[in-house]
Amino acid sequence: SQQGEEDPQALSIQEGENATMNCSYKTSINNLQWYRQNSGRGLVHLILIRSNEREKHSGRLRVTLDTSKKSSSLLITASRAADTASYFCATDMSGGTSYGKLTFGQGTILTVHP
Amino acid sequence: DGGITQSPKYLFRKEGQNVTLSCEQNLNHDAMYWYRQDPGQGLRLIYYSQIVNDFQKGDIAEGYSVSREKKESFPLTVTSAQKNPTAFYLCASSTVSNNSPLHFGNGTRLTVT
Repeated sequence: SQQGEEDPQALSIQEGENATMNCSYKTSINNLQWYRQNSGRGLVHLILIRSNEREKHSGRLRVTLDTSKKSSSLLITASRAADTASYFCATDMSGGTSYGKLTFGQGTILTVHP
Repeated sequence: DGGITQSPKYLFRKEGQNVTLSCEQNLNHDAMYWYRQDPGQGLRLIYYSQIVNDFQKGDIAEGYSVSREKKESFPLTVTSAQKNPTAFYLCASSTVSNNSPLHFGNGTRLTVT
């Protein structure tokens, strides 16, 4: 079953605007990760936020995590046409001897118009 | 440059034939994974391996088989028992540690007719 549910399914904005994508999940997690996928390509890791962290930044990316609401958001500031891609959240519920088993959401398709 | 290589990029097969997808990594990662992606969908885990000669089923292992004879290689066989094999297949690797991100290959698009 899909642990992460993303919202919106599609987002269309103008270059320079900010883009916010949300992810909700159902069970306790070790960490939550965001990935980007250009059409027909593999996924690229963007940022990882641990369950004991509330906010993390990387360049133009800002990720928040609210474990009480079981939700996360990804903010891309000052978007560029090159940011056009699908964005996926993935939750890591593994522990003990089982590492790296991620459960992915269905993704948000972001289109940035020049 | 280190990375994950999946081959071929496109693969066409007739129904009833087994087909093997290649995945090789030179990142010295212990763990490797196979995911399936259908149009407009997220990724679903097929199989994963955390050490050579050992692997575990993921959420949708039926109709698939894998082997892990070398650390660098984790081939996936799509058997004729897989009812709906047409999909985009992604291989990934990671270190075996907490909070380790996945590194993905560029995928193989399999079409079965």
